[in-house]
Amino acid sequence: AQSVTQPDIHITVSEGASLELRCNYSYGATPYLFWYVQSPGQGLQLLLKYFSGDTLVQGIKGFEAEFKRSQSSFNLRKPSVHWSDAAEYFCAVYNDMRFGAGTRLTVKP
Amino acid sequence: NAGVTQTPKFQVLKTGQSMTLQCAQDMNHNSMYWYRQDPGMGLRLIYYSASEGTTDKGEVPNGYNVSRLNKREFSLRLESAAPSQTSVYFCASRDRGVTGELFFGEGSRLTVL
Repeated sequence: AQSVTQPDIHITVSEGASLELRCNYSYGATPYLFWYVQSPGQGLQLLLKYFSGDTLVQGIKGFEAEFKRSQSSFNLRKPSVHWSDAAEYFCAVYNDMRFGAGTRLTVKP
Repeated sequence: NAGVTQTPKFQVLKTGQSMTLQCAQDMNHNSMYWYRQDPGMGLRLIYYSASEGTTDKGEVPNGYNVSRLNKREFSLRLESAAPSQTSVYFCASRDRGVTGELFFGEGSRLTVL
């Protein structure tokens, strides 16, 4: 069955530390992939997307993600987290616009 | 730029009541979507409309109906609300070009007592 999985429900990192949020997919063909961010009480905003080409994609707010076909993954990274990054993050697949369950990020001062 | 506008933002219903969530976009997008968001479950697609005049079921369509009134507007109707439909509902739209980015409304929080 087609699915997109975010294994971590909640992650806590210290401000200034690096961050990696995991996303795995199960689709027959290479899907088109997105990462969205949702700040408390807000709608969702696109961080970045992968359709083809370079497997390392840059997004807004200093985020990047790497597509790894061999691992069926599209993990989101940021070298140094800011307190304003506290939010919920969703991985999504373009093919059927299916979303993962989300990862809630808490940033410690 | 308004983008995607949803109304109402908050609503409390009693079991068995009906209501309609309205969504309008001003970006001339072809496709529109309705999602519900529940804790620990992410966003689940209820219905979508790939273009004006068409609608299709998503993952969780039971208990809902939709109408694509015109290119701008896509409404979601609960005919007989149930407590299980307590959720935050998001409308989204996109152009079916290569970019495929979804643009979201701010959400409508519905409570069914």
